[in-house]
Amino acid sequence: QVQLVQSGAEVKKPGALVKVSCKASGYRFTDYYIHWVRQAPGQGLEWMGVINPTGGSTTYAQKFQDRVTMTRDTSTSTVYMELSSLRSEDTAVYYCTRRGRSSSWYYFDYWGQGTKVTVSS
Amino acid sequence: DIQMTQSPSSLSASVGDRVTIICRASQSISTYLNWYQQEPGKAPKLLIYAASSLQRGVPSRFTGSGSGTDFTLTISNLQPEDFATYYCQQTYSTPPETFGQGTKVEIK
Repeated sequence: QVQLVQSGAEVKKPGALVKVSCKASGYRFTDYYIHWVRQAPGQGLEWMGVINPTGGSTTYAQKFQDRVTMTRDTSTSTVYMELSSLRSEDTAVYYCTRRGRSSSWYYFDYWGQGTKVTVSS
Repeated sequence: DIQMTQSPSSLSASVGDRVTIICRASQSISTYLNWYQQEPGKAPKLLIYAASSLQRGVPSRFTGSGSGTDFTLTISNLQPEDFATYYCQQTYSTPPETFGQGTKVEIK
């Protein structure tokens, strides 16, 4: 069965960097793009960016363009999301999600369990 | 960027009720619209894609409709497990992927 398993909760100080992992299993890793979506406490869903596991190409939301880096390791079927220069507003649950597709429509069909990142001095 | 607006932001309903959630896009998105359900403390779950296609395993009491700029998610015969927050998402023009702000369905 398809699974996305994320790394554990992190507590970071302002200005630090966090790296969250997302290990995929149950399908061919290179067949599906992986997106990252975050959710601040009590807030909605915010898209951060996407990585193509085949070649590693990425597209980031403009808001995070200069602070986020997404990478992948095809040998372990793992995607990473690194966010730098952390500030209190980055306190959120970070999700990885797989982009599924049916004909010309696509959607996020599987999600990781979420990784809580707390930024506090 | 395409903006997605949901209404209402929250609603109260009873078990067995029929509820309707509206999602409006800032420009036409054809039927490139998905709906997700999120229970507290859990990841979102895909309910409906392409505006009206039910994801495998989702109960038939969930129905989606609409095209262009106006969409609805209807839950018939509301069940206890349906009390959650619902989000719409457009995939017509990306990046960025954009979501509505969410609609919380609470127990009356």
